[in-house]
Formats: sequence, C-alpha cells, structure tokens
Amino acid sequence: DSGVTQTPKHLITATGQRVTLRCSPRSGDLSVYWYQQSLDQGLQFLIQYYNGEERAKGNILERFSAQQFPDLHSELNLSSLELGDSALYFCASSPRGVSIETQYFGPGTRLLVL
Amino acid sequence: AQTVTQSQPEMSVQEAETVTLSCTYDTSESDYYLFWYKQPPSRQMILVIRQEAYKQQNATENRFSVNFQKAAKSFSLKISDSQLGDAAMYFCAYRSADGNDMRFGAGTRLTVKP
Repeated sequence: DSGVTQTPKHLITATGQRVTLRCSPRSGDLSVYWYQQSLDQGLQFLIQYYNGEERAKGNILERFSAQQFPDLHSELNLSSLELGDSALYFCASSPRGVSIETQYFGPGTRLLVL
Repeated sequence: AQTVTQSQPEMSVQEAETVTLSCTYDTSESDYYLFWYKQPPSRQMILVIRQEAYKQQNATENRFSVNFQKAAKSFSLKISDSQLGDAAMYFCAYRSADGNDMRFGAGTRLTVKP
C-alpha cells in the first residue's frame, strides 16, 4: 500500500459524458501527478500539481482538466468522453514535486467508455 | 521531443538466472533522471531503481542494477537471481531536471520460469 488513494476503482460511462476521478496523496506529500495508461501501453504523463498550483503539463487533452484543493487532494475531470479515453488513470504523489523524488502511485481508476 | 524506447516487448528468464532489459532514450538535455518501474498483475506501479544523469556510478538496489551509458543514451536494467515475484511489466522512464517532461517506454513483459 503506497498511501495514495484513488476513487472510484472502476467507472463505466457512455460517450459524451463527464466524469471526475479523485486522488488523495500520501500524508505530507505536496505534489500530485496524473497519468493515463491505455490498454497494454506505457504511461502518459498528463499533469502535475504542487501545493495547489499547476507545476508541469504533459499530454493532457483540452477536454481534460485537473485541480488540487487546499487539503491537497486532487481531481481529474474528463469531459466529452470518447471510446479512446478508456484507460487506467493513475495518480501519484511525492513530497516536493522535484524530479529526483520517488513518486508513489495509487492503485488507479479503470475507466471504460461505452 | 524526448522519446524512450524499450525494444524488447517480452523477455523470459529462468528462476535464479540473470536477465537484462534494454532501454534507450533521446534527449538534448545534459541533466535528467532515469527510472525503472515495475508493474505486476495488480497494476500498481512500483519504483525499482533510479539514476541521476550527472552521476557516473551505476545505481544498484539489492538484486537490481543498471548499466547507464550516457553518451549512448542507454539505460538497461539487470535483474540478478531472478525470483518468481519479479514477473511483471517493466517500464523505463525519463524525467527532465526541471520536471516539465516525463516519458515512459512501452514496457517489457518479463516472465520468470520456475
């Protein structure tokens, strides 16, 4: 158990819908990362937050948005969902959000868009 | 754009033997970080080992070691005394020093035969 929690574990929805994925970082970690892992593929970095502010942006679509709240939990919002958005979405956290740090991954949210 | 290439989609090793997983990357930066992550069937991402590009000494973590060749942009993972629990997908990852760029390879599926 990494100490990072993600809810829900599974999500099934239809094309065109909007969903919100939630992540709670490890106690004391200020930085949160979001990743997308499509079927049998590597991870794609989406976005990073540090203490409520966006720190780095990867391959995040305009239909996707994220935020980190004052209590440090983060939400990833996915809208106008398409079949290709079906994937495993991981959240990770680290203490200060610097490159050398170990990122601790949550168990992921599996999203299926029908 | 930086790319990370894992040329071996699948590898197999006999229990107690040694196996090496390959990774090459492309970057114009001189300072960066490289990581190997393990993803067992549970899908949890676990950091195996990391290497700072400015360090010439190869990183080692128990049975896991790397062969970092900076000029060749190569970062291979050696697993010694392979155990059944080592069976997993292994991902090579690159992160820029400023944290703005993080990329993963497509992964290598390692099977350990008893």
